[in-house]
Amino acid sequence: DTGVSQDPRHKITKRGQNVTFRCDPISEHNRLYWYRQTLGQGPEFLTYFQNEAQLEKSRLLSDRFSAERPKGSFSTLEIQRTEQGDSAMYLCASSSSLADVAYGYTFGSGTRLTVV
Amino acid sequence: KQEVTQIPAALSVPEGENLVLNCSFTDSAIYNLQWFRQDPGKGLTSLLLIQSSQREQTSGRLNASLDKSSGRSTLYIAASQPGDSATYLCAVSVRDDKIIFGKGTRLHILP
Repeated sequence: DTGVSQDPRHKITKRGQNVTFRCDPISEHNRLYWYRQTLGQGPEFLTYFQNEAQLEKSRLLSDRFSAERPKGSFSTLEIQRTEQGDSAMYLCASSSSLADVAYGYTFGSGTRLTVV
Repeated sequence: KQEVTQIPAALSVPEGENLVLNCSFTDSAIYNLQWFRQDPGKGLTSLLLIQSSQREQTSGRLNASLDKSSGRSTLYIAASQPGDSATYLCAVSVRDDKIIFGKGTRLHILP
């Protein structure tokens, strides 16, 4: 296992198109997180899964965004009808939990989305 | 609402100097604090994780301290090198399910 993998690394799309990103976490990690980062800012929380259950969604995650984690393995983040404001780096992270305490995050390399 | 602030926003120092990056947070009820490094256009690399019951962690030339009561953490980098140039992000775990980031400190080590 080489860490958290994200695909694609870069995506350029036209406004109004749908895009889907994939994240493969570290296999033994039961928690998976999605963050969004714009230039000059720290990452902002979008949503997280414990196993296959999506437990929290940020208000940043509008109705155009949907995330899934079937069978508690990889996760996908889909953005429908993309807007220029969606342009950002989308980061995935995973962690393991013991007694409801997270033991640090491991991030992937991110997917950079550019909406033109 | 937890807020994380990092000072300074940017820092340039000559190679070989020791330096300190600062992080402050408004709510002391944290589970842990993590320092990350981010190179331009790249993802985040975890440097050090300090659990709420710990005071500091060390890895090589890096030392991070945590003072929960005052809501502060520092990252100390000894004998800085040009390869240390990057953005350093501080993040606190507010519950067991997500972390809140600061905006980072952009560090430039001058050869």
